[in-house]
Amino acid sequence: SYEVTQPPSVSVSPGQTASITCSGDKLGDKLPCWYQQKPGQSPVLVIYQSTKRPSGIPERFSGSSSGNTATLTISGTQAMDEADYYCQAWDSSTTCKVFGGGTKLTVL
Amino acid sequence: VQLVESGGGLVQPGGSLRLSCAASGFAFSTYNMDWVRQAPGKGLEWVSYINKISSNIYYADSVKGRFTISRDNAKNSLYLQMNSLRAEDTAVYYCARDGGTAAEIDHWGQGTLVTVSS
Repeated sequence: SYEVTQPPSVSVSPGQTASITCSGDKLGDKLPCWYQQKPGQSPVLVIYQSTKRPSGIPERFSGSSSGNTATLTISGTQAMDEADYYCQAWDSSTTCKVFGGGTKLTVL
Repeated sequence: VQLVESGGGLVQPGGSLRLSCAASGFAFSTYNMDWVRQAPGKGLEWVSYINKISSNIYYADSVKGRFTISRDNAKNSLYLQMNSLRAEDTAVYYCARDGGTAAEIDHWGQGTLVTVSS
């Protein structure tokens, strides 16, 4: 079965740039997306098709992908960005949506 | 866009439960839909997918043969019939709308908690 891997945690200082990676075989070809989930809340889509930002998502959120890696970048990180972040891709060979294990972003 | 789940609760191992999701604020019949779950303190796990006309249905291996997804476009509703429930099925179950471009989920419900315990 297809798998994608994220680091369990990332720390960043306020105002700095946070980068969260997601790895999987030929992940870049699968146009991955990213979700933000704060405690007690439902997930929110922040990046789709690797690089696109839904309306209402701040410009400081950006995405990229190439080869086996996708990256979510948060520029000028704010305290409100502290949350769990999940990457997700669609594996056409198994007809399954696959989520990464999630990365807890700490802003300190 | 509003997705409101219902039907969660406490059920014994081996039991059954049917979740419902009432959709409003968009043309339900034109969107593919999913169920996604999250065990307490754990990450997101995709459960099942159904396309607009119910012709393509997919399941995670962990629920295949036990869960059945369905929809009623006339009632703007999505369902998940869960049979032979196990303790490891305990989770918040989210109803979710596909964005329609690259299998992303662009809207999520608030979730309904299913607890499987004796």
